[in-house]
Amino acid sequence: SQTIHQWPVTLVQPVGSPLSLECTVEGTSNPNLYWYRQAAGRGLQLLFYSVGIGQISSEVPQNLSASRPQDRQFILSSKKLLLSDSGFYLCAWSVWTADTEAFFGQGTRLTVV
Amino acid sequence: GDSVTQMEGPVTLSEEAFLTINCTYTATGYPSLFWYVQYPGEGLQLLLKATKADDKGSNKGFEATYRKETTSFHLEKGSVQVSDSAVYFCALRGPGTYKYIFGTGTRLKVLA
Repeated sequence: SQTIHQWPVTLVQPVGSPLSLECTVEGTSNPNLYWYRQAAGRGLQLLFYSVGIGQISSEVPQNLSASRPQDRQFILSSKKLLLSDSGFYLCAWSVWTADTEAFFGQGTRLTVV
Repeated sequence: GDSVTQMEGPVTLSEEAFLTINCTYTATGYPSLFWYVQYPGEGLQLLLKATKADDKGSNKGFEATYRKETTSFHLEKGSVQVSDSAVYFCALRGPGTYKYIFGTGTRLKVLA
């Protein structure tokens, strides 16, 4: 069966520090991969998605970036965190067919102080 | 672009009450529609889905029907329990696209 791992679970980082969140998927090949952010009291905002190694689509211009160095690995990064980057970050994967659901990781609670 | 609109929360109900959470969408063609549930501090779990017009998705007593004519996918449950307290998200994925578009979520609180 397929599983998705996301870490760390919680993270407290000072303003201006770098960020690296990692997500890996097991049990499937060539998944679509996604990073979402959920700010307090708000819905899910799609940040990035990837349909293949090295292919990244950005949805929202910001100081975050994403990379997909391996088929089932998706990394969210920042060189310098802002206070506004605080939130709950969720990684997800899906298969290519549009009638299937996305599967989510447990999320990372990021607090920038 | 595609979008999903959900009713504003929070929704507070007594145990065994009837639940409706409204969801409408804007999309090109026939998207697939989903309801997800999020418990505190966790990721999202699929609750149910429908992939074509007039389909009814159901799971754990929850139901939603894909209404193309009204572009709606309202979530219903006949008798809620305290354990149903969570945030519910309506979402869509358009044909030929990769993106899942989510509504803002509706927080449900069920009182014993």
